[in-house]
Amino acid sequence: GENVEQHPSTLSVQEGDSAVIKCTYSDSASNYFPWYKQELGKRPQLIIDIRSNVGEKKDQRIAVTLNKTAKHFSLHITETQPEDSAVYFCAAINSGNTPLVFGKGTRLSVIA
Amino acid sequence: DVKVTQSSRYLVKRTGEKVFLECVQDMDHENMFWYRQDPGLGLRLIYFSYDVKMKEKGDIPEGYSVSREKKERFSLILESASTNQTSMYLCASRELGRRAGELFFGEGSRLTVL
Repeated sequence: GENVEQHPSTLSVQEGDSAVIKCTYSDSASNYFPWYKQELGKRPQLIIDIRSNVGEKKDQRIAVTLNKTAKHFSLHITETQPEDSAVYFCAAINSGNTPLVFGKGTRLSVIA
Repeated sequence: DVKVTQSSRYLVKRTGEKVFLECVQDMDHENMFWYRQDPGLGLRLIYFSYDVKMKEKGDIPEGYSVSREKKERFSLILESASTNQTSMYLCASRELGRRAGELFFGEGSRLTVL
């Protein structure tokens, strides 16, 4: 089955700097890669996703890149702000009806 | 807005007690999931259900069972709670589709087993 590895487990950045979180997956048939953000005490929520037919997707300050050959994808947050502090989870899936497989999460701290 | 509601935010139970965690979604989603969240271990899948009366084991089903008698409701049952089941439990739902879509989570139920 699919296995998703996520690094780093914790990340601290200064406000205004960029943050990058990386994930690798094992199943070459995986074709959907979402990222979820979980603020302290709240539910995980989808912030961005990418499908295997594109290499990059942007939404304001966040972007995701996908390298299918190397089987890795990354989340990039630019101009970080304190409200970006949260736990971020990457995930992968290979069909609409199978469960998402999540990475173990990255705790991002943005220091003002 | 999709709403996934978990019946209890915080529960304290004793070892050996039977525990029911209820989850209700209001968007007519076919797929429902129960995850367990522990620090450093991420989100681990306990059970999932493709549709009413269907259930499939996830990665860590031992010590748990589930029930899906109605489409909107997915219950997680701990037949005999143990201290190693102290955790945050998250329910989620998703629309059925050939292409994977967004997973909607509930607020979570934090269970402490004494």
